[in-house]
Amino acid sequence: GIQVEQSPPDLILQEGANSTLRCNFSDSVNNLQWFHQNPWGQLINLFYIPSGTKQNGRLSATTVATERYSLLYISSSQTTDSGVYFCAHTGNQFYFGTGTSLTVIP
Amino acid sequence: NAGVMQNPRHLVRRRGQEARLRCSPMKGHSHVYWYRQLPEEGLKFMVYLQKENIIDESGMPKERFSAEFPKEGPSILRIQQVVRGDSAAYFCASSPRVTEAGSLPETQYFGPGTRLLVL
Repeated sequence: GIQVEQSPPDLILQEGANSTLRCNFSDSVNNLQWFHQNPWGQLINLFYIPSGTKQNGRLSATTVATERYSLLYISSSQTTDSGVYFCAHTGNQFYFGTGTSLTVIP
Repeated sequence: NAGVMQNPRHLVRRRGQEARLRCSPMKGHSHVYWYRQLPEEGLKFMVYLQKENIIDESGMPKERFSAEFPKEGPSILRIQQVVRGDSAAYFCASSPRVTEAGSLPETQYFGPGTRLLVL
């Protein structure tokens, strides 16, 4: 199956800092999503982004399908951004990465 | 439009008992997916169902686990004779439709999860 690698595995940021999370796939993907799991375990869809770039407030994501990676940008981070960020291929096969654990400190 | 509903949110079972987890998809969604998240790990796909059909159960353990999505009512994930290793968060997701024949479901919307603890 498709291998999904996320980096970095852990990240600690000062509030207000920017960050980039990366997701690499071992094979071509055409149904990619980013999720945020908050410290209470709730899983939130962030982006459905099989290709191109999307922006939603302080978050944006870019997927370069031909090069098998996707990036999630978080700008001006806030403590509420803390949690685990997962990327996943959610097409006819389902593969999740192991996540990037983000802690934003005030 | 209510989101994906799961209940119970927390479930405690003793070894050997049965666990039943329910998932009500978003209104208008006919595709349901179940995932398991073990402590400190990412989500692992278990099963993909449409109404009255199991489409993909490649992630389901071969024994003790079953899932259904009847014509009426919620999807049920059933775990028989639970063991401590079944303790995990179980997430359900739903999507509205598959876009074209043989292609891919649209974005999935996740429920809040059921935390199962087996004593």
